[in-house]
Amino acid sequence: GQQLNQSPQSMFIQEGEDVSMNCTSSSIFNTWLWYKQDPGEGPVLLIALYKAGELTSNGRLTAQFGTTRKDSFLNISASIPSDVGIYFCAGPRGGGADGLTFGKGTHLIIQP
Amino acid sequence: ETGVTQSPTHLIKTRGQQVTLRCSSQSGHNTVSWYQQALGQGPQFIFQYYREEENGRGNFPPRFSGLQFPNYSSELNVNALELDDSALYLCASSLREGGYEQYFGPGTRLTVT
Repeated sequence: GQQLNQSPQSMFIQEGEDVSMNCTSSSIFNTWLWYKQDPGEGPVLLIALYKAGELTSNGRLTAQFGTTRKDSFLNISASIPSDVGIYFCAGPRGGGADGLTFGKGTHLIIQP
Repeated sequence: ETGVTQSPTHLIKTRGQQVTLRCSSQSGHNTVSWYQQALGQGPQFIFQYYREEENGRGNFPPRFSGLQFPNYSSELNVNALELDDSALYLCASSLREGGYEQYFGPGTRLTVT
C-alpha cells in the first residue's frame, strides 16, 4: 500500500525558532492533510491541501503541496510552547471516498 | 456544533474476550472511519462506514467488525482479543461529499492483558 515518510522523526528547538518538516510518498497524492496530536488526544486537522503547488496558511502554520504531488511541507513560524506535539501528514488511501494513510509523525519538542 | 465523541475513554480486557467501542459523529457528518494507533505510530485505517454499510477496509482481520446507525453513530467490535490489539482506537467523522477532511475524537485506550 501507499506509504508516507516523514522527516525529521523528532526535532528539539528553542522557543521562537521556525520549524520545517516534510512528508514524501512513492506515489502521487491528490490531497495532503496535516494533523497535530497532543498526548492522550486524537489528531486535530491543521491544514488541508488539494492542488499541486498550493500554499495554505493557518495562523503561524504554512503548508505546501509539492509540485511533484509526491511531497508536502509544513512550516511553523516563531514556535511557542503549545506547538509541542506530534505532527502527522496524511493522504487518501485511494479507491474513492476511503480512509486515510498516515506517516509516522514528527515529534516536536520545544526547549524554553 | 458538537464534535466527535467516543466511549469509553479507557478499557482493560483479557485476551480472548470481546470488546465494543462507540463513537458519535460530528453533527452534519455522514461518514465514520475507525483507526488503530499503536504507541509511537501513526493511525492505521481499519474501515469506514457510510449509509450504514462498510465502505472500504484496511488490512485488519474479520474479527474487527463495525456498525453504523441511522443517526450516523458507529460501533467497533473486536472479537477474540489478542495482546497486540492493545492500542488507541480513534474514530473520525467526515462528510462524504466534502472531500477527504476527517475530524477525530479523543480515542479509546484499550489494554489487553
